[in-house]
Amino acid sequence: EPEVTQTPSHQVTQMGQEVILRCVPISNHLYFYWYRQILGQKVEFLVSFYNNEISEKSEIFDDQFSVERPDGSNFTLKIRSTKLEDSAMYFCASLSRAVFAEAFFGQGTRLTVV
Amino acid sequence: KQEVTQIPAALSVPEGENLVLNCSFTDSAIYNLQWFRQDPGKGLTSLLLIQSSQREQTSGRLNASLDKSSGRSTLYIAASQPGDSATYLCASNTGNQFYFGTGTSLTVIP
Repeated sequence: EPEVTQTPSHQVTQMGQEVILRCVPISNHLYFYWYRQILGQKVEFLVSFYNNEISEKSEIFDDQFSVERPDGSNFTLKIRSTKLEDSAMYFCASLSRAVFAEAFFGQGTRLTVV
Repeated sequence: KQEVTQIPAALSVPEGENLVLNCSFTDSAIYNLQWFRQDPGKGLTSLLLIQSSQREQTSGRLNASLDKSSGRSTLYIAASQPGDSATYLCASNTGNQFYFGTGTSLTVIP
């Protein structure tokens, strides 16, 4: 069964450092998303990406965040200067189309900012 | 903004029982609703997807229903097993994003 792959599974970083979270979506999918889940809280939407540009972003997705699809297969989330409150599980998802399609989520990257 | 609520927040049942998890959403203009399973510290595993035009979907011991007009979905688990212990999340797709509920933490006692 096709799957979304995320690396690394766990990253510890110092406050103020830049981190890049990586995702390999399912190969024929066109819509890509990043979500995050702070421990004990809801899964929250960060950003959606289609046709090499951001479709929608949440209030959480401020100037410290950016997304990129550098090589047609990887999909990355960059946090420029991490804060303690960025500590969360980050999930990547991909869909074949925006609606009426099943969302496939990766196993997540646990980011710990110290 | 879509608000998704799941009741109960936690549920503990003896093995073999049938159970129902509830999901409600405030905006009925959804394209589909998806149920996920999340094991502690792990990712989201898709269980069932119900399109907005469908009333229910079945996969093995799982059956999900959708009543879009009333903003409700249920996940029915038949003959529960200890391996079913996990958090179950519902998520509604409004076209731009998925809105997730807070989840129901299920414990099946052997």
